[in-house]
Amino acid sequence: DAMVIQNPRYQVTQFGKPVTLSCSQTLNHNVMYWYQQKSSQAPKLLFHYYDKDFNNEADTPDNFQSRRPNTSFCFLDIRSPGLGDAAMYLCAAGGTSSYNEQFFGPGTRLTVL
Amino acid sequence: AQSVTQLDSQVPVFEEAPVELRCNYSSSVSVYLFWYVQYPNQGLQLLLKYLSGSTLVKGINGFEAEFNKSQTSFHLRKPSVHISDTAEYFCAVSSGYSTLTFGKGTMLLVSP
Repeated sequence: DAMVIQNPRYQVTQFGKPVTLSCSQTLNHNVMYWYQQKSSQAPKLLFHYYDKDFNNEADTPDNFQSRRPNTSFCFLDIRSPGLGDAAMYLCAAGGTSSYNEQFFGPGTRLTVL
Repeated sequence: AQSVTQLDSQVPVFEEAPVELRCNYSSSVSVYLFWYVQYPNQGLQLLLKYLSGSTLVKGINGFEAEFNKSQTSFHLRKPSVHISDTAEYFCAVSSGYSTLTFGKGTMLLVSP
């Protein structure tokens, strides 16, 4: 089945220690998204890639970076995680049809100690 | 700009009772509307979507929603809920090639 895969499902890091979250998709969609979701809140878009074009949301902290080496893979790098960065991180993939349906992965739960 | 309002943060209901989760949106252009469900520690799963055509949309797990343009609403309904429907439900709107805008979510709590 075509899907969006995120690894790992649970990640523990230390305050200030860089961490990378991974996402891959077998849908062959052009667009990939990273969201941050804190407890009992809606997902908050951090950035998205339209093919190789990177689109950063205005309020995404500089501490968050992303890489998309090819269509299938996308990475979220947190350069110096703070306690406030503990959250669920959701990756999604979407096509370029006009209605923008997105398919989500299972998420990575990040804990910062 | 577009926005989504989910009026209820929590909806408690007994098993086998009907339920309605409310969603209102605002947008200056034509919209596409979605309902997603999120189980604990999981990603979002698409329940149903309205793109065009019939205003009554049927989705997975027995859910349906009705698009009402005059009231700018897209309420989600199920005639008889199960314990397994306990989850967070998000309404979202897209207007063409823009990104999705999510509501704050409604927690559906089904008890026996």
